[in-house]
Amino acid sequence: QVQLVESGGGVVQPGRSLRLSCAASGFSFSNYGMHWVRQAPGKGLEWVAFISNDGSNKNYADSVKGRFTISRDKFNNTLHLQMNSLRAEDTAMYYCAREKYGIEYWGQGTLVTVSS
Amino acid sequence: QSVLTQPPSVSAAPGQKVTISCSGSSSNIGINYVSWYQQLPGTAPKLLIYDNNKRPSGIPERFSGSKSGTSATLGITGLQTGDEADYYCGTWDTSLSALWLFGGGTKLTVL
Repeated sequence: QVQLVESGGGVVQPGRSLRLSCAASGFSFSNYGMHWVRQAPGKGLEWVAFISNDGSNKNYADSVKGRFTISRDKFNNTLHLQMNSLRAEDTAMYYCAREKYGIEYWGQGTLVTVSS
Repeated sequence: QSVLTQPPSVSAAPGQKVTISCSGSSSNIGINYVSWYQQLPGTAPKLLIYDNNKRPSGIPERFSGSKSGTSATLGITGLQTGDEADYYCGTWDTSLSALWLFGGGTKLTVL
């Protein structure tokens, strides 16, 4: 079955960088677009970024544009999110998710805390 | 402030019906499919409705979706205590560049 397992979260100081990963299994990774979605503690869902199935198209929320980069590794079936210049407001649970009919499958998330 | 507007909360008694609205605009709901997500406390969101009114395998018929113009609605009949959760609508916005939007979320309380 479809499995998405995020990793790479943790506590990081403001201004530093962090790289999240999402291991995909149970489906043909190269056939699907992928998203990152985050949720700050006690808040609603916020879309972060999308990458098309072949990696040729990438879209970002205004709140992360220029700081975050989404990428994918078709050989290792892995989605990445490189997060630079982190801010306190980036503190959230980060979910990776598969796109088909909307955002279809979700991982369990990895927690990122930006704090000094 | 979300571009897609949902009521912050709704409530109803067990066995009753509830609807949750999601209001957008011509660049998002007006021209794109809407999906709905259920997030139980402490868990990841789950897809409930896609393409405005379709249910993924395993989602009960008690859950339904509809769309008219720039608004969409999620309906839940035969409410159960296990339906207490946050519900979010979502869709693409293709005004300038393609962005995915979520509504602000609606907390459902089953009294």
